Amino acid sequence: QVQLVQSGAEVKKPGASVKVSCMASGYTFSNYAISWVRQAPGQGLEWMGWISAYSGNTNYAQKFQGRVTMTTDTSTGTAYMELRSLRSDDTAVYYCAKGRYYDVLIGYWVHFDYWGQGTLVTVSS
Amino acid sequence: QSALTQPASVSGSPGQSITISCTGTSSDVGGYNYVSWYQQHPGKAPKLMIYDVSKRPSGVSNRFSGSKSGNTASLTISGLQAEDEADYYCSSYRSSSTSWVFGTGTKVTVL
Repeated sequence: QVQLVQSGAEVKKPGASVKVSCMASGYTFSNYAISWVRQAPGQGLEWMGWISAYSGNTNYAQKFQGRVTMTTDTSTGTAYMELRSLRSDDTAVYYCAKGRYYDVLIGYWVHFDYWGQGTLVTVSS
Repeated sequence: QSALTQPASVSGSPGQSITISCTGTSSDVGGYNYVSWYQQHPGKAPKLMIYDVSKRPSGVSNRFSGSKSGNTASLTISGLQAEDEADYYCSSYRSSSTSWVFGTGTKVTVL
């Protein structure tokens, strides 16, 4: 069965960086993309971007460009999301999610069919 | 990037049907069939319920159905059950920013 297991909760100070991991199993990791989605306390879902585990190609939401880096390690089936220059409003649960399929018509990974359990990142001085 | 618009809350009695709307623009919901819906129980990760507007992943109850008309997509839950009480989010590809966008979220309450 497909599983995405994320790293544990983090507490960071403003201005610091955080790197969250997402270990996949139960499917061929390199055949799909991993997206990252965050959810601030009591708020809705916010898409951050995706990375193709096959090509390493990325697509970041404009809001996070320059501050986020997504990478994968195909040897371990693990995806990583690093967010820099943390602010208090980056406090959120961060989820990784597997892309359902790549649509060649638009050249984009669409939908999220399996999700990790979430990683709480708290930014506080 | 602005979120897709959903009603904040929808409620219904057990056994009834409810419909949640998701309004976007011709650059997202109206322009493509890449709408999906997610169910999220408190403290849990979201779960894919519908993709490509109306397709159900394996294991999702056929009480959940999706449709689209113009710039508005809809999720219908028929035969409402207590376990359906959760938050629901729509989402779509958005061509104007080459990105993915979520809806504002709808809290479903089973009376």
